[in-house]
Amino acid sequence: AAGVIQSPRHLIKEKRETATLKCYPIPRHDTVYWYQQGPGQDPQFLISFYEKMQSDKGSIPDRFSAQQFSDYHSELNMSSLELGDSALYFCASRRSGKGTDTQYFGPGTRLTVL
Amino acid sequence: GQSLEQPSEVTAVEGAIVQINCTYQTSGFYGLSWYQQHDGGAPTFLSYNGLDGLEETGRFSSFLSRSDSYGYLLLQELQMKDSASYFCAVKGGSSGSARQLTFGSGTQLTVLP
Repeated sequence: AAGVIQSPRHLIKEKRETATLKCYPIPRHDTVYWYQQGPGQDPQFLISFYEKMQSDKGSIPDRFSAQQFSDYHSELNMSSLELGDSALYFCASRRSGKGTDTQYFGPGTRLTVL
Repeated sequence: GQSLEQPSEVTAVEGAIVQINCTYQTSGFYGLSWYQQHDGGAPTFLSYNGLDGLEETGRFSSFLSRSDSYGYLLLQELQMKDSASYFCAVKGGSSGSARQLTFGSGTQLTVLP
């Protein structure tokens, strides 16, 4: 079965650079979530989209923005990167209106800011 | 807001049974989920309780008591591969279809031979 796809899997950037992370949800899933997980931390919700519209906002810095496109893939844009942005970034998708509302996580993008 | 508490570490031996507890405080409750995460891997859905009672999925079971704001994950016949972090999570945020997850701090389970 198709899973959530994230690219790139690893990314190394320097301070003050920009980064774009991509997420391709499971087919027919209409909701996408972005989470940030620092070392030894639990995943922290950043932002979510439902049917291409932003639906909830969590602890996402103003330096970050995201959107969901017509094909339901989503991109997280990160600017003016800081050392503290080094983390695993997970995308999760869900199909609304089905059963348990389970979110399926992608493999993550490991961002390292030097 | 939402907050969840779970033990930081649990250790058990192969073949044993272990219970990981989770207590939560939420402004609105939409169910308790459990996720497993191996080091460097993605959180993997294990179980969900929307109503009180026990849900069983193979060697894993999850229980919920909404009146006590409490749930637990029960792992039976432990195997070495069960060594991982286990997160309880509640759905929260604004009403509507998004309902992002708020995770507990995770319980690191170590299974010894």
